[in-house]
Amino acid sequence: NAGVTQTPKFQVLKTGQSMTLQCAQDMNHNSMYWYRQDPGMGLRLIYYSASEGTTDKGEVPNGYNVSRLNKREFSLRLESAAPSQTSVYFCASSESWATNEKLFFGSGTQLSVL
Amino acid sequence: GNSVTQMEGPVTLSEEAFLTINCTYTATGYPSLFWYVQYPGEGLQLLLKATKADDKGSNKGFEATYRKETTSFHLEKGSVQVSDSAVYFCALIRTSGSRLTFGEGTQLTVNP
Repeated sequence: NAGVTQTPKFQVLKTGQSMTLQCAQDMNHNSMYWYRQDPGMGLRLIYYSASEGTTDKGEVPNGYNVSRLNKREFSLRLESAAPSQTSVYFCASSESWATNEKLFFGSGTQLSVL
Repeated sequence: GNSVTQMEGPVTLSEEAFLTINCTYTATGYPSLFWYVQYPGEGLQLLLKATKADDKGSNKGFEATYRKETTSFHLEKGSVQVSDSAVYFCALIRTSGSRLTFGEGTQLTVNP
């Protein structure tokens, strides 16, 4: 069972470069999420998609865009990377927004912006 | 707003030692409380939860009791193993359908 799959696992960017983080889930979940994890700050929600066709901002959306490509896939794009976006990024999914306390996470993408 | 505060880490224990990781929260009403665990190289996974005051969540030998009077949800295990080495996150959700709020995480290392 694959669960939630994220690519890439590691990425190094230069300031100003762009990139897209990919996420796919095979559990037929309706809701998907992007978090960032920074030392001493826990996980912070960047964007989420409560259902296919919808996306909403989380706590820290600035500098990011998302696309819910279909029910399975939810991508995160950095248009012009900044050193402050150096972080570990996690994609997650849940059956629905109403059950979003039970999240299933991918294994993360470690991003460094130089 | 809602917030979760965990004890500062990292925590290092010997195998079979007793574990406590403190978690306190700030929230209006009666939130549901959770512990998530992140093993090395993996994403987080739900460890246990409690949805009302005095409830005890338990899983894999870990326990936590929802204490409304002290706004706490401390994680305990009587005898830790090397395989328990991980980062532990306390979290809350105020109502179904609202956002999950995570604490900063506590790194646990268990030595043989």
